[in-house]
Amino acid sequence: EPEVTQTPSHQVTQMGQEVILRCVPISNHLYFYWYRQILGQKVEFLVSFYNNEISEKSEIFDDQFSVERPDGSNFTLKIRSTKLEDSAMYFCASRAGQGFAGYTFGSGTRLTVV
Amino acid sequence: KNQVEQSPQSLIILEGKNCTLQCNYTVSPFSNLRWYKQDTGRGPVSLTIMTFSENTKSNGRYTATLDADTKQSSLHITASQLSDSASYICVVAGSQGNLIFGKGTKLSVKP
Repeated sequence: EPEVTQTPSHQVTQMGQEVILRCVPISNHLYFYWYRQILGQKVEFLVSFYNNEISEKSEIFDDQFSVERPDGSNFTLKIRSTKLEDSAMYFCASRAGQGFAGYTFGSGTRLTVV
Repeated sequence: KNQVEQSPQSLIILEGKNCTLQCNYTVSPFSNLRWYKQDTGRGPVSLTIMTFSENTKSNGRYTATLDADTKQSSLHITASQLSDSASYICVVAGSQGNLIFGKGTKLSVKP
């Protein structure tokens, strides 16, 4: 079964450093998403991406965040200057163009900011 | 404000027993409602997806119901197994495809 792949599975970074979280969505999917889950809290929507541009973003997704699809396969989330409160699990998801049945999550990247 | 509320927060049951988890939502516009199972440290895995016109949907031992008028859903698990121990999350999809998550119900199945 096709999977959404995220790397790394765990990243530790110092406060103020930039991090890039990487995702390889399912190959024929057109819509891409990033979500995060702070430990013990619910999963929160960050941003959706379609046709090489952001289609919607939440209030969490401020200027320190950016997304990019640098080539035909990767989808990245960049956090420019990490803060302690950015520590969370970050999930990438993708779906095909038709309907929501193929909405698939990756296993996540656990980001720890120290 | 778009919200998804779940109850109970946590639940402990004995292996082989049934249980029902509840979800209330205020998301509008509504596209579909889904139940996910999330093991600790893993991504959510879809169990069922229902549009507003569907009342019941089953997936093995999981049966979800949806009442779009009262904006309530439930997930019934029959003959629970130890591997059912996980968080069960009610998620409502808005019109843009973004998902709004509930906090989940943490289910523990004991032998």
